[in-house]
Amino acid sequence: EVQLVQSGAEVKKSGESLHISCATSGYKFTSYWIGWVRQMSGKGLEWMGIIYPGDSNTRYSPSFQGQVTMSVDKSINTASLQWNSLKASDTAIYYCAKVGPGTGYYFDYWGQGTLVTVSS
Amino acid sequence: QSVLTQSPSASGTPGQRVTISCSGSYSNIGSHTVNWYQHRPGTAPKLLIYNDNQWPSGVPDRFSASKSGTSASLAISGLQSEDEADYYCAAWDDSLNGPVFGGGTKLTVL
Repeated sequence: EVQLVQSGAEVKKSGESLHISCATSGYKFTSYWIGWVRQMSGKGLEWMGIIYPGDSNTRYSPSFQGQVTMSVDKSINTASLQWNSLKASDTAIYYCAKVGPGTGYYFDYWGQGTLVTVSS
Repeated sequence: QSVLTQSPSASGTPGQRVTISCSGSYSNIGSHTVNWYQHRPGTAPKLLIYNDNQWPSGVPDRFSASKSGTSASLAISGLQSEDEADYYCAAWDDSLNGPVFGGGTKLTVL
């Protein structure tokens, strides 16, 4: 069974750093892209970027380029999302999701989300 | 403002058929396949339909989807209370060089 289990909720202050994780199981981690999606309160889903665990190749949405860093640890089948200096506007739920096989571009499995709250 | 446009809300009574629409442009829906996700707040989003009209394993065929030009739609027949959720369309976008989502449609089962 494919599972993506995200780290727990975080409460931070502006300017602090943060690292959230997405532990995967049930499939070959290095063979499928992993994406990150943001949902701000009361808003829709926004694609942040994707990373290929096989070689750590990354593609960022222009809106998030330079704002966050995606990485993976192949030894523990885990993807991570990192901020060096949080802003109040980073307050949101962040989802990791596995890109499905074959043609097309879709997320076939999602994590449960990590709520990040940043106070100013 | 989302790149793909969805009506913010829809509703129906149990057993009814409801349709949720999604409008885009040539750079996304007009050129690429559409996917639909179901999201109950507080839970992980779930893939409902991929590549325009394909069902992932375990998704009932009460859910169906279609596409024409730069618009797509999701139909839910035999509406059930458990279908109450937010529904998002998504497609690759050539301008973003990444996927774009609709703003979501909140479905209420009356």
